[in-house]
Amino acid sequence: GEDVEQSLFLSVREGDSSVINCTYTDSSSTYLYWYKQEPGAGLQLLTYIFSNMDMKQDQRLTVLLNKKDKHLSLRIADTQTGDSAIYFCAESKKGTGRRALTFGSGTRLQVQP
Amino acid sequence: DAGVTQSPTHLIKTRGQHVTLRCSPISGHKSVSWYQQVLGQGPQFIFQYYEKEERGRGNFPDRFSARQFPNYSSELNVNALLLGDSALYLCASSHGEVEPQHFGDGTRLSIL
Repeated sequence: GEDVEQSLFLSVREGDSSVINCTYTDSSSTYLYWYKQEPGAGLQLLTYIFSNMDMKQDQRLTVLLNKKDKHLSLRIADTQTGDSAIYFCAESKKGTGRRALTFGSGTRLQVQP
Repeated sequence: DAGVTQSPTHLIKTRGQHVTLRCSPISGHKSVSWYQQVLGQGPQFIFQYYEKEERGRGNFPDRFSARQFPNYSSELNVNALLLGDSALYLCASSHGEVEPQHFGDGTRLSIL
């Protein structure tokens, strides 16, 4: 989706932190999401943040939202080889249905042992 | 509890044929949405249904249609299949108006 942009690829070493970035364009977005997709599988909801929040932490995951710059990031602490997957940022927009999501093209995370 | 289930998992069709994909939402979820994911891209929104009514439609031709049944399951129909319809078709469900969407594993449709 051209309205949500992500870098294509990120490589980290096992045990390091990973930071995946996303920019969106719609200031009326209500929720912003991070999904994980492993090969041959559907999308797994990792976490989400409401647009009036700045930060959300859930175990190894930290989401930061900068509304002024329309920037969203996902930090994965102590990255493991099982975290290797494609990560999608998504926003829910008003006007296209309450729960219609617009996705970025995904960031492929490669974790090296 | 069972997650979102989709059937079939894989399907091969030829150009011009018709296809029906099925989705059962998580128990208690009343909303179902359909997405198309072409290889190497993020999912694209096709339809959203809530309480059996269409609540949103993405930028897809009229060859694509859907419906939701009284038990909240849903079907996606695609007529006059084109090569470009080859994709992973994902179904997602959510409970109410603002809850996040949970996805199934998808139906991989190949058009020959």
